[in-house]
Amino acid sequence: NAGVTQTPKFRILKIGQSMTLQCTQDMNHNYMYWYRQDPGMGLKLIYYSVGAGITDKGEVPNGYNVSRSTTEDFPLRLELAAPSQTSVYFCASSSSSSYNEQFFGPGTRLTVL
Amino acid sequence: SQKIEQNSEALNIQEGKTATLTCNYTNYSPAYLQWYRQDPGRGPVFLLLIRENEKEKRKERLKVTFDTTLKQSLFHITASQPADSATYLCALEANSGYSTLTFGKGTMLLVSP
Repeated sequence: NAGVTQTPKFRILKIGQSMTLQCTQDMNHNYMYWYRQDPGMGLKLIYYSVGAGITDKGEVPNGYNVSRSTTEDFPLRLELAAPSQTSVYFCASSSSSSYNEQFFGPGTRLTVL
Repeated sequence: SQKIEQNSEALNIQEGKTATLTCNYTNYSPAYLQWYRQDPGRGPVFLLLIRENEKEKRKERLKVTFDTTLKQSLFHITASQPADSATYLCALEANSGYSTLTFGKGTMLLVSP
């Protein structure tokens, strides 16, 4: 049982480049989330999904896109990378109950130069 | 909008003492509150959840209180150990629903031998 896995661990992008951050969970969780964490700041919700085919914006969605074609996978797409998107990105998942804990992946450290 | 405050200054304590971390919130009445631990370079790990109708919750050396009148949660670690050194995040059920959380910035705890 791997839990939540993320790839890549590290990535450096040039301004204007695009990339997809991968996230996979093997716990059959319906809910999945993408957060970004800047130094000294809390986690900010980018997008979330309550099931395959259903996604919604979080607090800071601008510059990002997501899709959820399967229960297991929830990729995050950056279309035109900007320096403001330099951050650590965490994917998380939880079961359907509102009270359940979120399980986090190890994170992807992204630098945009 | 809802606001969560955690002490931004690191808390330094000696091994064996009780560590007490504070989480204050405004402009919202969450149905529950969660605490997470985050080690450097890793994703947060769930510790405890407390519901609005619960005054206190315990798990081994951890204790959480939830005062909905003061809009405050206290997180205690008794008999603290150097291995408890980490950043502790408070998270509240977000008022957007769908099992999303709003996280505080976290408080770093340093336990010295």
